[in-house]
Amino acid sequence: DIVMTQSPASLAVSLGERATINCKSSQSVLYNSNNKNFLSWYQQKPGQPPKLLIYWASTRESGVPDRFSGSGSGTDFTLTISNLQAEDVAVYYCHQYYNTPFFTFGPGTKVDIK
Amino acid sequence: EVQLVEAGGGLVQPGESLRLSCAVSGFTFSSFWMNWVRQAPGKGLEWVADIRPDGGETSYVDSVKGRFTISRDNAKNSLYLQMNSLRAEDAAVYYCAREKLDGGTFDFWGQGTLVTVSS
Repeated sequence: DIVMTQSPASLAVSLGERATINCKSSQSVLYNSNNKNFLSWYQQKPGQPPKLLIYWASTRESGVPDRFSGSGSGTDFTLTISNLQAEDVAVYYCHQYYNTPFFTFGPGTKVDIK
Repeated sequence: EVQLVEAGGGLVQPGESLRLSCAVSGFTFSSFWMNWVRQAPGKGLEWVADIRPDGGETSYVDSVKGRFTISRDNAKNSLYLQMNSLRAEDAAVYYCAREKLDGGTFDFWGQGTLVTVSS
């Protein structure tokens, strides 16, 4: 199985500032034939299901604010939340779907307001 | 509007069975791979099982193989998870989730149904 790790486990950021979350996979999730990274990011608020934010490592899902951006390739990825808003308080998970169907998720990063 | 609504969770004793269901609407159910993903209280996400659009292929995480069965009824727009020989470690919120047509990530999730396993 591909093991996903995330750092930090939690962070507190001031409103309007930037939050950066890192995700690392135990093996590359870049599919060479189409040059796509099989990596997505989810946001989960308390009592709610996860919400897809980013897929193919950097493609924003429809309706997701452009302050959310994803980057990286191979084994190292980053989710950046620019201009943090109060409604962005949540737990964020990365997810690999390279090793379909044996999908795995990172342990999550909790984002709070400082 | 895409909707996925899970039902069937509850409190069971270790060794007992439970059948979860997920009723979907707002999309052509028979065109999509579907999944079950669970989340133990206060923990992260764990993929459990998936099923091909025609129901002809299924896969499971190792920890539930031989105990859980995923199935679907495309005529009823419904997904199921039969859970047998339940263990304390199976306690979780169970979500049904749809895979994107153009990739294996999950674009829509239900609200989840809670399974509690305790004597």
